[in-house]
Amino acid sequence: GAGVSQSPRYKVAKRGQDVALRCDPISGHVSLFWYQQALGQGPEFLTYFQNEAQLDKSGLPSDRFFAERPEGSVSTLKIQRTQQEDSAVYLCASSPEERYHEQYFGPGTRLTVT
Amino acid sequence: QKEVEQDPGPLSVPEGAIVSLNCTYSNSAFQYFMWYRQYSRKGPELLMYTYSSGNKEDGRFTAQVDKSSKYISLFIRDSQPSDSATYLCAMGDSGTYKYIFGTGTRLKVLA
Repeated sequence: GAGVSQSPRYKVAKRGQDVALRCDPISGHVSLFWYQQALGQGPEFLTYFQNEAQLDKSGLPSDRFFAERPEGSVSTLKIQRTQQEDSAVYLCASSPEERYHEQYFGPGTRLTVT
Repeated sequence: QKEVEQDPGPLSVPEGAIVSLNCTYSNSAFQYFMWYRQYSRKGPELLMYTYSSGNKEDGRFTAQVDKSSKYISLFIRDSQPSDSATYLCAMGDSGTYKYIFGTGTRLKVLA
């Protein structure tokens, strides 16, 4: 079946603008993760959903970052009042229930804040 | 000191060579160890995962875990130019959903 999809693939925002990044996980995957990947670094955990419940948001860098998954499938990561340090690739991953080690990643959204 | 250390490379090898990629870690509670391959401008792709110690083989890829040394390795046999990518290790303790990734090693296989 289809893999994880993300949109947009690229986003350029002016500092201070709000952005919304979308993730479509693999159908039936209960677990959904958001990661931030800076240039030359590995992905860093941002937040975790089990169905529609956000069980962990400890990795969100500030209260400008907000994520939701209202119906337990599609998820949106929103960043308010973007700053230059928010420039990174935002990756979404999904996994079957409790098989967290089998995370399937989307292609990512490359966010550039100018 | 980071929890997971990985040499960023780049590592350049001729086609057909055996490649060894490694990570060290500091948390003895880690039980799950994963290797991902990431092509430029793509998301990471899960290659293999290992639970606890030992070896696991899948085609040209072999993953090894040495928990006593807190050291994991990924070997690629008969490397191909198509193996050129960044290889990320990731690990976590049993039952966790929060895995720690290494910085990735860039591999170039020269034709």
